[in-house]
Amino acid sequence: AQKITQTQPGMFVQEKEAVTLDCTYDTSDQSYGLFWYKQPSSGEMIFLIYQGSYDEQNATEGRYSLNFQKARKSANLVISASQLGDSAMYFCAMREVPANFGNEKLTFGTGTRLTIIP
Amino acid sequence: AAGVIQSPRHLIKEKRETATLKCYPIPRHDTVYWYQQGPGQDPQFLISFYEKMQSDKGSIPDRFSAQQFSDYHSELNMSSLELGDSALYFCASSAQGENTEAFFGQGTRLTVV
Repeated sequence: AQKITQTQPGMFVQEKEAVTLDCTYDTSDQSYGLFWYKQPSSGEMIFLIYQGSYDEQNATEGRYSLNFQKARKSANLVISASQLGDSAMYFCAMREVPANFGNEKLTFGTGTRLTIIP
Repeated sequence: AAGVIQSPRHLIKEKRETATLKCYPIPRHDTVYWYQQGPGQDPQFLISFYEKMQSDKGSIPDRFSAQQFSDYHSELNMSSLELGDSALYFCASSAQGENTEAFFGQGTRLTVV
């Protein structure tokens, strides 16, 4: 069963506008972590933001914020004041509680390709 | 700050050849993860090592093997390469006990021709 769902394969947004990328997840664990990564055309995987399941405040990192709604199992990424350099693939990922050390692998969604229009 | 180093960055191999990908984790990181990302796909977990022992295994073909050495660097060995093995291979590292993300290397782009 899909654990991370990103329903927007592609999005086009005007420069300087805010954009919300959707992510829903499925887990029976009480403790887990949610991540967003940016992958530009160069291929590298760039960490953007992290939200722990017990964090009461929504995570923020500069222009990035995570709209965490635990009851709805959603972890949407909000980018404020979008820039041309934000054009990239964005992946939502989840890390569940491992049984042992070293089992903290990430499960990724299928990604959203964001294109910023000048 | 030092990041995860992967080598080589690009690799072209012919079918049925072997390839070895290397990963040097961030200093003091004790866990290494390998992921495979096919064209247009999301990264898929292959295998992980904690303190030089295999700790978890995902959808890694039997033709692939990996290990973590005493200096914590890791190598992914791929034999009898197939066209479908063409992908971006990521290594990530993390430190136990720290509430941090896994830090990804820049990836090795393997092309099998």
